[in-house]
Amino acid sequence: GESVGLHLPTLSVQEGDNSIINCAYSNSASDYFIWYKQESGKGPQFIIDIRSNMDKRQGQRVTVLLNKTVKHLSLQIAATQPGDSAVYFCAENLFNAGNMLTFGGGTRLMVKP
Amino acid sequence: GAGVSQSPSNKVTEKGKDVELRCDPISGHTALYWYRQSLGQGLEFLIYFQGNSAPDKSGLPSDRFSAERTGGSVSTLTIQRTQQEDSAVYLCASSLSRGRNTEAFFGQGTRLTVV
Repeated sequence: GESVGLHLPTLSVQEGDNSIINCAYSNSASDYFIWYKQESGKGPQFIIDIRSNMDKRQGQRVTVLLNKTVKHLSLQIAATQPGDSAVYFCAENLFNAGNMLTFGGGTRLMVKP
Repeated sequence: GAGVSQSPSNKVTEKGKDVELRCDPISGHTALYWYRQSLGQGLEFLIYFQGNSAPDKSGLPSDRFSAERTGGSVSTLTIQRTQQEDSAVYLCASSLSRGRNTEAFFGQGTRLTVV
């Protein structure tokens, strides 16, 4: 995702609502994208990935959408639960970076009961 | 172990002292990353190792920071003459590199506090 500084934006949603977390990436050559979830006091954990030959991929309660035209990635969480409260990071694989993943700035999701 | 292991989990040090942080990646993973995360903030890239290639050190904030990866496995991040602004969680991650599209697995991090 874009490196826009390390201050985390926050998304606050009501329990049971759907959440949409967005990420913009800068390199049109990126062909692999991952969403990570980081709970308090833990390292980031893999949620879902998508390759550039796909526009959409679904997991359990999560969907990732990729719009290559505008270089935008989103993570949709259905029926958001308190356990979904965490920081979410997108990551992109840069074709010319020797397989290195580059992480976006992250979004904090807060779920209100 | 099955995952990425970091030690120590917590480290308190006095300003001006040197510290070493250790990362044991997942066996067989040729790529290794170090990140720094200040409280409530995002991931700051520090350094990336990929097999026998020269590491990408572009994220190291100053010459007080250095990292090594011995034998293509264990990595050590060294911070010399620590400053209070070095206080953060230092995260290590590793990934396979048989193809270009591989996820990275993170350790739990080392929380460094410089007093």
